[in-house]
Amino acid sequence: RKEVEQDPGPFNVPEGATVAFNCTYSNSASQSFFWYRQDCRKEPKLLMSVYSSGNEDGRFTAQLNRASQYISLLIRDSKLSDSATYLCVSFSGGYNKLIFGAGTRLAVHP
Amino acid sequence: GAGVSQSPSNKVTEKGKDVELRCDPISGHTALYWYRQSLGQGLEFLIYFQGNSAPDKSGLPSDRFSAERTGGSVSTLTIQRTQQEDSAVYLCASSLTNYGYTFGSGTRLTVV
Repeated sequence: RKEVEQDPGPFNVPEGATVAFNCTYSNSASQSFFWYRQDCRKEPKLLMSVYSSGNEDGRFTAQLNRASQYISLLIRDSKLSDSATYLCVSFSGGYNKLIFGAGTRLAVHP
Repeated sequence: GAGVSQSPSNKVTEKGKDVELRCDPISGHTALYWYRQSLGQGLEFLIYFQGNSAPDKSGLPSDRFSAERTGGSVSTLTIQRTQQEDSAVYLCASSLTNYGYTFGSGTRLTVV
């Protein structure tokens, strides 16, 4: 079983839609979680950190459920420019490395 | 520059040749990571350097792979006797803390 698992998609949604991505992690010792965005043939870029209380950044909301070892990302009012692959990432201080999920592809169409 | 710099951006090599990939992290960042990403796949951890500590090499796929970080700054990833399955994008990231990892734009390696 992979340490971080994501639905690969693709999610094809119209502009303005709300879309949610889910991610599960297997290492209960993981301390920090992030969502990264990766555009085609580009490097990953940090989208947002994920906190237990949930956090929001404009149209993006991230949630962490430690009991279920589950992370989510909600995108409201999708834009064409949101089309990308979204990577769920965990960090364990014991291993000192980021563990990436394989990513969920989002395609927003007009 | 302000970001993580990797060179070359593209490398085509013949099977069996050795290659060296370079990463220049953000100045002052103590942590440096190498990952690779095969076509359509997620990022695979290769190696991690933190300050003067012994590197975490647990992700290196074979003894053909090695990496160095000189003076706590520039890092080189060396692949000896390249194989076709080594073809991937090799990404370097640096960080000052446990947060805010910044990736370079990667080296696209093609072994023919």
